[in-house]
Amino acid sequence: AQRVTQPEKLLSVFKGAPVELKCNYSYSGSPELFWYVQYSRQRLQLLLRHISRESIKGFTADLNKGETSFHLKKPFAQEEDSAMYYCALVNQAGTALIFGKGTTLSVSS
Amino acid sequence: NAGVTQTPKFRVLKTGQSMTLLCAQDMNHEYMYWYRQDPGMGLRLIHYSVGEGTTAKGEVPDGYNVSRLKKQNFLLGLESAAPSQTSVYFCASSDGLAASQYFGPGTRLTVL
Repeated sequence: AQRVTQPEKLLSVFKGAPVELKCNYSYSGSPELFWYVQYSRQRLQLLLRHISRESIKGFTADLNKGETSFHLKKPFAQEEDSAMYYCALVNQAGTALIFGKGTTLSVSS
Repeated sequence: NAGVTQTPKFRVLKTGQSMTLLCAQDMNHEYMYWYRQDPGMGLRLIHYSVGEGTTAKGEVPDGYNVSRLKKQNFLLGLESAAPSQTSVYFCASSDGLAASQYFGPGTRLTVL
């Protein structure tokens, strides 16, 4: 079965602290994974995709097939990073995204 | 270039009423999607379309119908609204596979 699990509903950190938002997946074959972000009162937007291997706003995510994980990391959190983060997986048919339940990141000073 | 727009932004319905949510995109995308977002449940796919004239069921399709008569529009209908359909509805589009979806601003629907 295809599934995305984000085990933390809420993650609270202080400004300047490292951040790791966890994402685990269940998929047969080579997954295509994404992180989306929703800032307060804004629409969801793509943050990054694993195939691009890029760093956006200081965030990176590495696909670990052995652990079936795609954790989102940032070495030094900023207050403007506070948002809801969703991990997503392309379904087996390649036609839709399966989203996790989301993790709210709260960064305080 | 407006991207993805949704109409209306807010709506309050009584149980049993019907309504249609409109999603429009001006990016010439083939794929369009309707999701609902509920606290603690994340985003769940209701229906999607891989091209004009096609629709398919997602994870939670019951109680909803959709139509894609024009490539740029994707309509979501509620024939007989129920309180369980109180949610925030998001439309999205993409230019190929499910990757890199562009989302609309959302419609907040309350069913009393």
